[in-house]
Amino acid sequence: KAGVTQTPRYLIKTRGQQVTLSCSPISGHRSVSWYQQTPGQGLQFLFEYFSETQRNKGNFPGRFSGRQFSNSRSEMNVSTLELGDSALYLCASSFQGGNEQYFGPGTRLTVT
Amino acid sequence: DAKTTQPPSMDCAEGRAANLPCNHSTISGNEYVYWYRQIHSQGPQYIIHGLKNNETNEMASLIITEDRKSSTLILPHATLRDTAVYYCIVRVAESNTGKLIFGQGTTLQVKP
Repeated sequence: KAGVTQTPRYLIKTRGQQVTLSCSPISGHRSVSWYQQTPGQGLQFLFEYFSETQRNKGNFPGRFSGRQFSNSRSEMNVSTLELGDSALYLCASSFQGGNEQYFGPGTRLTVT
Repeated sequence: DAKTTQPPSMDCAEGRAANLPCNHSTISGNEYVYWYRQIHSQGPQYIIHGLKNNETNEMASLIITEDRKSSTLILPHATLRDTAVYYCIVRVAESNTGKLIFGQGTTLQVKP
């Protein structure tokens, strides 16, 4: 079956703009988690959505938000972009969250 | 979730077994040991997980000590494609969360 897909794969934005990233989970998976990966901080958990509800949230400012649709697809939004938001954004899906997760290829965001 | 400690880097000759250690001395009775790896510029990939018995799948073997305070991931015949960052994560498998806490991992370099 198809894996986790993320769009777009690459994105360049300017400081102050906002951006929306999309994640389509594996068919049948209801949990979608988002992570930010930077060279300095490594892989950090942003938030998790399950059945259209945010179930867990990491330690990120309110500029980072997300949502999940009834088909389990998820989007994350970053408003008022800062240079430090440049990162690889990864999403992962799993059936219910507690078991193994499957990651997408990520979206590489560059903020200039 | 319990904290894990891994060596920052390791080398392995192609065709030989790669043994990656992980210390998790504060692991709780209901916490599993998970291993993921991340090949350069790709999303992390689930490898294997276990509670207290040794586990084996088509990718690797997981050896957990009797006191469960440490474990070893074994790649029996390492290839150049196994060069990656390997993450050891301890978590409650049936927990109601998709949140994974990644440490710095071990960078495994497989050399010809």
